[in-house]
Amino acid sequence: EAQVTQNPRYLITVTGKKLTVTCSQNMNHEYMSWYRQDPGLGLRQIYYSMNVEVTDKGDVPEGYKVSRKEKRNFPLILESPSPNQTSLYFCASSLLRGSYGYTFGSGTRLTVV
Amino acid sequence: GIQVEQSPPDLILQEGANSTLRCNFSDSVNNLQWFHQNPWGQLINLFYIPSGTKQNGRLSATTVATERYSLLYISSSQTTDSGVYFCAGHNDMRFGAGTRLTVKP
Repeated sequence: EAQVTQNPRYLITVTGKKLTVTCSQNMNHEYMSWYRQDPGLGLRQIYYSMNVEVTDKGDVPEGYKVSRKEKRNFPLILESPSPNQTSLYFCASSLLRGSYGYTFGSGTRLTVV
Repeated sequence: GIQVEQSPPDLILQEGANSTLRCNFSDSVNNLQWFHQNPWGQLINLFYIPSGTKQNGRLSATTVATERYSLLYISSSQTTDSGVYFCAGHNDMRFGAGTRLTVKP
């Protein structure tokens, strides 16, 4: 089944403790992206990647890092999480940048206390 | 950057009613898509509609690219249609704030 897989689904952590949210897709998509969703703000893009080793900042990149060492994986790294990063996070992918069939993972609900 | 506005922000319907959701873009986009986020948070791609009209069951969408807007029509609404509807477009998929739809039995 074609899908985008995120892990974990839920995570509660403490301020300053480094964490990684994994994202993997099995559709051979070149384009991958991370969003955060906050009430009333829709989805805001954190980082995106157009291909292996090609990443760029979205609208809200502060406090986040990403890497794209393999085509299928695009992990999101919070090196020193803070409470204002408490949010619902989504990974998404598409065949190419701006192409049809934008597919989302199931989301990761992160709480930083 | 490009701005995406959706209206109305909230919509409450009785089961069986029809509705129209609107999405306006501040600049032209060539890859407009509509998504439904169900009450469990899952985001489902409904339509890829850069221009013209498409239909899928009780849902249809129309995009007038020259005027930078798109409409999502829901006919004979059901409780399972509840959730948040988002439109998005542009190379890096800019999203609107969404329309929260509640369908009451």
